[in-house]
Amino acid sequence: DSGVTQTPKHLITATGQRVTLRCSPRSGDLSVYWYQQSLDQGLQFLIQYYNGEERAKGNILERFSAQQFPDLHSELNLSSLELGDSALYFCASSPRGRNEQFFGPGTRLTVL
Amino acid sequence: AQSVTQLDSQVPVFEEAPVELRCNYSSSVSVYLFWYVQYPNQGLQLLLKYLSGSTLVKGINGFEAEFNKSQTSFHLRKPSVHISDTAEYFCAVSGTDSWGKLQFGAGTQVVVTP
Repeated sequence: DSGVTQTPKHLITATGQRVTLRCSPRSGDLSVYWYQQSLDQGLQFLIQYYNGEERAKGNILERFSAQQFPDLHSELNLSSLELGDSALYFCASSPRGRNEQFFGPGTRLTVL
Repeated sequence: AQSVTQLDSQVPVFEEAPVELRCNYSSSVSVYLFWYVQYPNQGLQLLLKYLSGSTLVKGINGFEAEFNKSQTSFHLRKPSVHISDTAEYFCAVSGTDSWGKLQFGAGTQVVVTP
């Protein structure tokens, strides 16, 4: 158990819908990262937050957005969903001053 | 920007035999290097990391890796594998200037058979 929690574990929805994935980092970790894992693209970095502020952006679609709240939990919002958005979405957190990330168990999103 | 190439998509190996998983990277800046393992239906677990210092890094579960700057490689080894080592292994790189975001390789599936 990494100490990073993600909810829900599974999510099934339809094309065109909007969903919210939630992540709680390890206690004391200020950085949160979101990654997408799909069969065709592999593991891709989406976005990073540090203490509530966006720090880095990767291959994140405009239909996707994220935020980190004052209690440090983070949410990834996916809208206008397409079949190709079906993937595992991982959240990771990192301790201040340490260059390693601890991953949550992931949310498996299925878009039908 | 960084990129990572894992040279083998699948590695079959017999129980108690050694295994080596190959990883090469490219980067215009100094890097940090990582190996993660993903067991079926689970998240990623950090096996080991290279940040600086000794180029031979020891991790959990008997794994070790060697950083070779001249060959831009970070190969993972284990002298004797167990059935429980069956999993997917990912090499990842982070530039020292990139706020920690990880660039992953495509993964190597290790299948250990008796």
